[in-house]
Amino acid sequence: GDSVTQMEGPVTLSEEAFLTINCTYTATGYPSLFWYVQYPGEGLQLLLKATKADDKGSNKGFEATYRKETTSFHLEKGSVQVSDSAVYFCALGDYKLSFGAGTTVTVRA
Amino acid sequence: GAVVSQHPSWVICKSGTSVKIECRSLDFQATTMFWYRQFPKQSLMLMATSNEGSKATYEQGVEKDKFLINHASLTLSTLTVTSAHPEDSSFYICSARAGRGQETQYFGPGTRLLVL
Repeated sequence: GDSVTQMEGPVTLSEEAFLTINCTYTATGYPSLFWYVQYPGEGLQLLLKATKADDKGSNKGFEATYRKETTSFHLEKGSVQVSDSAVYFCALGDYKLSFGAGTTVTVRA
Repeated sequence: GAVVSQHPSWVICKSGTSVKIECRSLDFQATTMFWYRQFPKQSLMLMATSNEGSKATYEQGVEKDKFLINHASLTLSTLTVTSAHPEDSSFYICSARAGRGQETQYFGPGTRLLVL
């Protein structure tokens, strides 16, 4: 079945550092890809998505490109802030979602 | 837009009681709602999928009689944990999807259940 493999954390960064969280997938066909963010004690918020190959999703300075050739959807942000500290989930699917294990990111001032 | 609410956000109950959690789509009609369970520091585990007006579809290993799901309207789904026990303590999260061709799921804020 479809699955997502996500970079293990935790990741600790200083403010203004560059963030990359790797995500690769296995799927039949070309499902939509998502990044969700979860702040402490809260549910998931959609961060960005891409629905087909070569699409780039972007939001709040975060970007991810749907790469069919490498089956990847890596999340990047050029300059992180303390407020970006959260757990990030990569997911795929057009109906049911398959989630990665989540990556905890801590940004220190 | 695309706001999903859950109620209650926190619930503490005694072992053996039943607890109902509501999931509402506030500004769109949700033909499909999903219920997830999340253990501390872990990913989300899909429990069941519910479509408005029909019976829920449960994932393998999830007890139907334990976790009753009702999706009576296009904006409301409920999860009832029956005869709750301490091992049912968890974070329950619902999501809603607008309909065919709308692949994005919008998540509620979650309900933390503690069974004593």
